Amino acid sequence: EVQLLESGGGLVQPGGSLRLSCAASGFTFSSYAMSWVRQAPGKGLEWVSAISGSGGSTYYADSVKGRFTISRDNSKNTLYLQMNSLRAEDTAVYYCAKDIAVAGPAYMDVWGKGTTVTVSS
Amino acid sequence: DIQLTQSPSFLSASVGDRVTITCRASQGISSYLAWYQQKPGKAPKLLIYAASTLQSGVPSRFSGSGSGTEFTLTISSLQPEDFATYYCQQLTPLTFGGGTKVEIK
Repeated sequence: EVQLLESGGGLVQPGGSLRLSCAASGFTFSSYAMSWVRQAPGKGLEWVSAISGSGGSTYYADSVKGRFTISRDNSKNTLYLQMNSLRAEDTAVYYCAKDIAVAGPAYMDVWGKGTTVTVSS
Repeated sequence: DIQLTQSPSFLSASVGDRVTITCRASQGISSYLAWYQQKPGKAPKLLIYAASTLQSGVPSRFSGSGSGTEFTLTISSLQPEDFATYYCQQLTPLTFGGGTKVEIK
C-alpha cells in the first residue's frame, strides 16, 4: 500500500525553526517528485515547495522562498522540509504529497494525513 | 502569476443533482489543470488531472472538461459521499483555486 506519514509538527515561537519529515512506503520513492502543501485553519490549500525525484531540482512558493528548504533522502525514502524564521502566518496543517511524475511539480496523487505547525508566542 | 478563480464558492445541492463547478484561469494554461476533493479533517484526493483524465479509482460520475482559461468539474449524479470542498489546481507556478464547498440542500 502506498503511504506517506508526516511528522515533526508542533508549537514553535515566531522566528523559530522546525523540520518536518515525511516517510514514504509502497512505491519507488526516487521515481517521483514530492511536494509540501499547507492549509491554514479554515482556509484553502497552498502549495509550499516541491523537489524532483533525484533531488536535483527544487521549487518554492514566493511566501516561503529563502526561509524554507526542501530536501529528500532517497536511501531512507524520506522527504524533509526545514522551516526557519517562522511566522504566525505559517501556522497550518502541512501535507506531504507524491507527484504523478518524476520532474514535478505537477499533479499530486497520494497525500499524507498531515502534521500541524503552530507558530505562536 | 496565474490566478485561479472558482465559482461558485458555495453550492447547495440534493442527492441525485447534476453539479457543475467552474475554474477560470487569469491566463491560458492549456490543459494543465487538476481537480481535488477534500472532506473535513482529511487530506485532499486527486479526482481529475490534465483537465479531463479521471484518476484511477475515481467514480465515473466525476468528469472534467475545458482548456485555455475555462474549466469545469461535473458530478453527474451527486451522492452522499460527494459532499465536500473541491479545489482546482494549475502547474505554473503551482497554485490552487479558492475552493467550492458543496453542501446538502
